[in-house]
Amino acid sequence: AAGVIQSPRHLIKEKRETATLKCYPIPRHDTVYWYQQGPGQDPQFLISFYEKMQSDKGSIPDRFSAQQFSDYHSELNMSSLELGDSALYFCASSRPGQANEKLFFGSGTQLSVL
Amino acid sequence: GENVEQHPSTLSVQEGDSAVIKCTYSDSASNYFPWYKQELGKRPQLIIDIRSNVGEKKDQRIAVTLNKTAKHFSLHITETQPEDSAVYFCAAATSGTYKYIFGTGTRLKVLA
Repeated sequence: AAGVIQSPRHLIKEKRETATLKCYPIPRHDTVYWYQQGPGQDPQFLISFYEKMQSDKGSIPDRFSAQQFSDYHSELNMSSLELGDSALYFCASSRPGQANEKLFFGSGTQLSVL
Repeated sequence: GENVEQHPSTLSVQEGDSAVIKCTYSDSASNYFPWYKQELGKRPQLIIDIRSNVGEKKDQRIAVTLNKTAKHFSLHITETQPEDSAVYFCAAATSGTYKYIFGTGTRLKVLA
């Protein structure tokens, strides 16, 4: 069965650079969520999109932005990267129309900021 | 804001014993409570979930109980095995929102 696809798997950037993370949800899933997980931490909710519109916002810094495209894939754009942005970034998707549906997580993008 | 407290942060049990992890949520409107298992460096995997109209749900060695009045829910793993060793996260979600708030995680170690 198709799963949530994230790219790249690993990304190394310098301070003040920009990064773009991509997420392809499970087919027919219309809701995408972004989470940031630091080492030994719980996943922190960043932002979510339902039907290409931002549906909820969490602790996403102003330096980050995200969007969901017409094919439902989503991109997380991160600018002016800081050392503290180093983390595992997960994307998850859920089935149409339901806020309380199971989240299916991608394998994550490990971002290292040097 | 909403938050989910999870205890204990670490738990060691002998193989074959039971393990219990507890979570407390703050938003009384929360009505969906999933549990995720995460192995080191890997994605969280859903292992069981419960909705607020149910008090208990069981799936083989795993069970979840919910006390809406106290805003508590718990994960029970019986006959633990070494492969159960991982970090477990509870989460809470509320109808009409599109975010899941995770607990702080419990590192479970099953000793052979």
